[in-house]
Amino acid sequence: DAGITQSPRHKVTETGTPVTLRCHQTENHRYMYWYRQDPGHGLRLIHYSYGVKDTDKGEVSDGYSVSRSKTEDFLLTLESATSSQTSVYFCAISESPAGGPDTQYFGPGTRLTVL
Amino acid sequence: AQSVTQLGSHVSVSEGALVLLRCNYSSSVPPYLFWYVQYPNQGLQLLLKYTTGATLVKGINGFEAEFKKSETSFHLTKPSAHMSDAAEYFCAVSGVSNYKLTFGKGTLLTVNP
Repeated sequence: DAGITQSPRHKVTETGTPVTLRCHQTENHRYMYWYRQDPGHGLRLIHYSYGVKDTDKGEVSDGYSVSRSKTEDFLLTLESATSSQTSVYFCAISESPAGGPDTQYFGPGTRLTVL
Repeated sequence: AQSVTQLGSHVSVSEGALVLLRCNYSSSVPPYLFWYVQYPNQGLQLLLKYTTGATLVKGINGFEAEFKKSETSFHLTKPSAHMSDAAEYFCAVSGVSNYKLTFGKGTLLTVNP
């Protein structure tokens, strides 16, 4: 299994509070991704990173920000959580860009509930 | 633009029966195609992928898929279902140079004894 951990694994928070989710990898892969998974929607890309301090938006980036100060860590922040951000969040890594043939490896996920 | 359609959000089979999960894609460039499996409360795990070359791709746990360009399909099959195959399956497509992996909405496979 690829060395990817996510923390916390479960979190319950209240509307309006900031939340930060962490993804940590031990594979030294250049590319990292944050997805959210919702019933009936599959996985949707929030943000991705193509190197330290290099990030870009995905298809559902509104209300989210990211940071990557080290190769191994990719943080996802909800500045002011809303109930629509209740979801399961997955981090993924890959050696080359998502548009290529390399596999994306997924972390175990973080289940976030916003009350 | 690229997209993935998985026909059937829920498929139910009997143990020992053929498993067929359907995936159709659209892509403006030659695609790379993936099937992932997700067991309850776990992340996604790669089953198999098509990049170039042989269009029949074999994966883990006895699954295989065939890339059919003329039909824009990449259906997943397994000759004989096992109880342990019960999971959600996702088809995904990416295309050279667009730096994006697009997932279908998933198909939940139930295996009945």
